[in-house]
Amino acid sequence: SQKIEQNSEALNIQEGKTATLTCNYTNYSPAYLQWYRQDPGRGPVFLLLIRENEKEKRKERLKVTFDTTLKQSLFHITASQPADSATYLCALQGGGNKLTFGTGTQLKVEL
Amino acid sequence: DGGITQSPKYLFRKEGQNVTLSCEQNLNHDAMYWYRQDPGQGLRLIYYSQIVNDFQKGDIAEGYSVSREKKESFPLTVTSAQKNPTAFYLCASSMYGDSRGYTFGSGTRLTVV
Repeated sequence: SQKIEQNSEALNIQEGKTATLTCNYTNYSPAYLQWYRQDPGRGPVFLLLIRENEKEKRKERLKVTFDTTLKQSLFHITASQPADSATYLCALQGGGNKLTFGTGTQLKVEL
Repeated sequence: DGGITQSPKYLFRKEGQNVTLSCEQNLNHDAMYWYRQDPGQGLRLIYYSQIVNDFQKGDIAEGYSVSREKKESFPLTVTSAQKNPTAFYLCASSMYGDSRGYTFGSGTRLTVV
């Protein structure tokens, strides 16, 4: 069955460092991979989309890589700030427009 | 401002009752979706609709029903047949083929009392 894995353990890093979050998937051939940010009690907010034929996408302090051979995406936040603390969700989009979400990884950026 | 509105924010239901969650968008998006989120679990797709008057079951449709009579609206009814309805419900919309991802509402937290 299709499976999306994100590290369930919270990631704690110091302010100014680069945070790297991992998304692994199996039994899936996604056309797109998306990353969302979710704050407690709120709906997810779209951050970045990367296509299967793209290796890397950047937006301000964010960078996403997509390796369809390894079936893995890495999400980087450079120069992290306490305001970046949230849960980050990986989502895969195959045929049609449906998204399948991972369980998310909680990021805590400490002063 | 364009956006997607869910109401109510909190909802309490007695066992055996049906309840309807509202979702309205003014983004002119074609597609709309309902997800359920439980602690420690990812978002799970309940129903989705790509055009008016058409919708498809997602992964966990049992005990739920929807309608899509207008492009702007996609209400979700949680029926008494749903055995474990307490959860955080999220509505989303998107333009088909758009690279800007989904726009989510702020969610409705449903509690069975």
